[in-house]
Amino acid sequence: AQSVTQPDIHITVSEGASLELRCNYSYGATPYLFWYVQSPGQGLQLLLKYFSGDTLVQGIKGFEAEFKRSQSSFNLRKPSVHWSDAAEYFCAVGNNNDMRFGAGTRLTVKP
Amino acid sequence: DGGITQSPKYLFRKEGQNVTLSCEQNLNHDAMYWYRQDPGQGLRLIYYSQIVNDFQKGDIAEGYSVSREKKESFPLTVTSAQKNPTAFYLCASSLGTGGARNQPQHFGDGTRLSIL
Repeated sequence: AQSVTQPDIHITVSEGASLELRCNYSYGATPYLFWYVQSPGQGLQLLLKYFSGDTLVQGIKGFEAEFKRSQSSFNLRKPSVHWSDAAEYFCAVGNNNDMRFGAGTRLTVKP
Repeated sequence: DGGITQSPKYLFRKEGQNVTLSCEQNLNHDAMYWYRQDPGQGLRLIYYSQIVNDFQKGDIAEGYSVSREKKESFPLTVTSAQKNPTAFYLCASSLGTGGARNQPQHFGDGTRLSIL
């Protein structure tokens, strides 16, 4: 069965520290991969996407993600976290017929 | 500016009552989606539509109904058959041409439904 796993429910980092949010998936073929961010009480905003080509993709707000086929992972990274990055982050994985979202990782940023 | 508008932002339902959540988009997208979001469970697909006058059930369609009479509009009705309707409901749209569901989705700001 197709699935998306975000192993970390909640992560706390200090402002200025680096960040990595994990995403693992189980799909039959190379999927289309996305990261979204959600602020409280709002909808989801697309941070970045991977369809093909270079496995390191750049997104908005200084985020990047790396697709690793051998590990079935698509981890999200940011070199230096800002207080405004506090939010919930969702990994999504899709193909032509389906799209699945992970359960989300809530990010808290300490001053 | 193009986007998706969901209304109302907050909605209260009495026992045995049907309520309808509105979703309108001006992005000229073919595909539209309804998701339910509960804490710790991510997004679960209720219904989706890839073209006007056609829609498909998602993973948790029971107790819900939709219509797609216009490209811009995809209202969701939460019926009295949905026994646990309290949740945050998100509408989304995407290009979705040719039946593909792999395009990035654009989301509205959601409607929070509660039971009185």
